[in-house]
Amino acid sequence: LAKTTQPISMDSYEGQEVNITCSHNNIATNDYITWYQQFPSQGPRFIIQGYKTKVTNEVASLFIPADRKSSTLSLPRVSLSDTAVYYCLVGTGGTYKYIFGTGTRLKVLA
Amino acid sequence: DVKVTQSSRYLVKRTGEKVFLECVQDMDHENMFWYRQDPGLGLRLIYFSYDVKMKEKGDIPEGYSVSREKKERFSLILESASTNQTSMYLCASSLSGSAETQYFGPGTRLLVL
Repeated sequence: LAKTTQPISMDSYEGQEVNITCSHNNIATNDYITWYQQFPSQGPRFIIQGYKTKVTNEVASLFIPADRKSSTLSLPRVSLSDTAVYYCLVGTGGTYKYIFGTGTRLKVLA
Repeated sequence: DVKVTQSSRYLVKRTGEKVFLECVQDMDHENMFWYRQDPGLGLRLIYFSYDVKMKEKGDIPEGYSVSREKKERFSLILESASTNQTSMYLCASSLSGSAETQYFGPGTRLLVL
């Protein structure tokens, strides 16, 4: 099963772009990469998902290089409300088993 | 919007008690999951179910069992609660298919004394 590695924590200031990189060296051919956001005392919430190259939605962008061994979540112009833990997941196609790592604790400062 | 509800937000139980955690989803999802979340360890999958009466072990099934008698309901059972099962328990559901988005409930914080 593909395991993910992320930085434990990051600090940023309001209005800055934040990039969080996740390593997944053992990603399988049919695995997707998914990012979730979790606020204190809440369950994780889906942010974005991709398979290769670049995906963008109204909240974030996801960059995946050709070898797919890593991915980068990009949050444009963060605000204080983006302070949360961000999880990178690699879905193991066909077995329904997702591996959540320990996540990256992002703190946005005023 | 998908709604996943869990029977309790907070529970306090004693060692040796049998504990039932219930999860209900209202979007006719095939897959349901139980995770536990502990500081420094992230979320770990306990069990998941891809259909009624079907279940598969996750990464840490020891000390737990599950029941899925109806599609919308997935129960986690601690047969004999122990202090090391004190944790946040999160339920999730998704459509069939392994790449589908998981929708999480608010969590149950369980304290075993």
